[in-house]
Amino acid sequence: GAVVSQHPSWVICKSGTSVKIECRSLDFQATTMFWYRQFPKQSLMLMATSNEGSKATYEQGVEKDKFLINHASLTLSTLTVTSAHPEDSSFYICSAGQGYDGYTFGSGTRLTVV
Amino acid sequence: RKEVEQDPGPFNVPEGATVAFNCTYSNSASQSFFWYRQDCRKEPKLLMSVYSSGNEDGRFTAQLNRASQYISLLIRDSKLSDSATYLCVVISYNNNDMRFGAGTRLTVKP
Repeated sequence: GAVVSQHPSWVICKSGTSVKIECRSLDFQATTMFWYRQFPKQSLMLMATSNEGSKATYEQGVEKDKFLINHASLTLSTLTVTSAHPEDSSFYICSAGQGYDGYTFGSGTRLTVV
Repeated sequence: RKEVEQDPGPFNVPEGATVAFNCTYSNSASQSFFWYRQDCRKEPKLLMSVYSSGNEDGRFTAQLNRASQYISLLIRDSKLSDSATYLCVVISYNNNDMRFGAGTRLTVKP
């Protein structure tokens, strides 16, 4: 089945710094990947849809200049949280798939900004 | 109105109980439907696909009603290990749109 690798699993960074999260499809090509954020005890919230070779589509309320998405190849999408602040601390998850068989999630990245 | 809505829960049931979750969606062009399970502090994992004809996998039965735009998940003979959050997912391939419900928390108690 489809395998999605997300890295890093967790990261602690200082306020004001930037953090890059990678999402890779290991055994298939993904023209579309999705990025989600989940705060404790809350549901997954779609942040943006990452499209290979074109600009990402951001959900309302998500700052595109703060959450930079790059989908330069069919197997890799990156999310960069720029100038991170403590309120950005959250669980970030990507997903990708071949559609009709459902989408697979990465294992998530737990970001803590101190 | 949210695009995908689920029973808010939480559902607290005894072992062996039968429990059902519903999920409604607003996009009539939606094409694929799934149920995912998410354990605490973990990523969601695919539980099962949902077809118009209904499908069953052991103790789990999923159904889709396109006319009323809802999907359901039935869990029979609940086990302690079924305790998790269950998310419904609705996909429209026309615009690469994948939407989640907020999830329903299930706790199965001894």
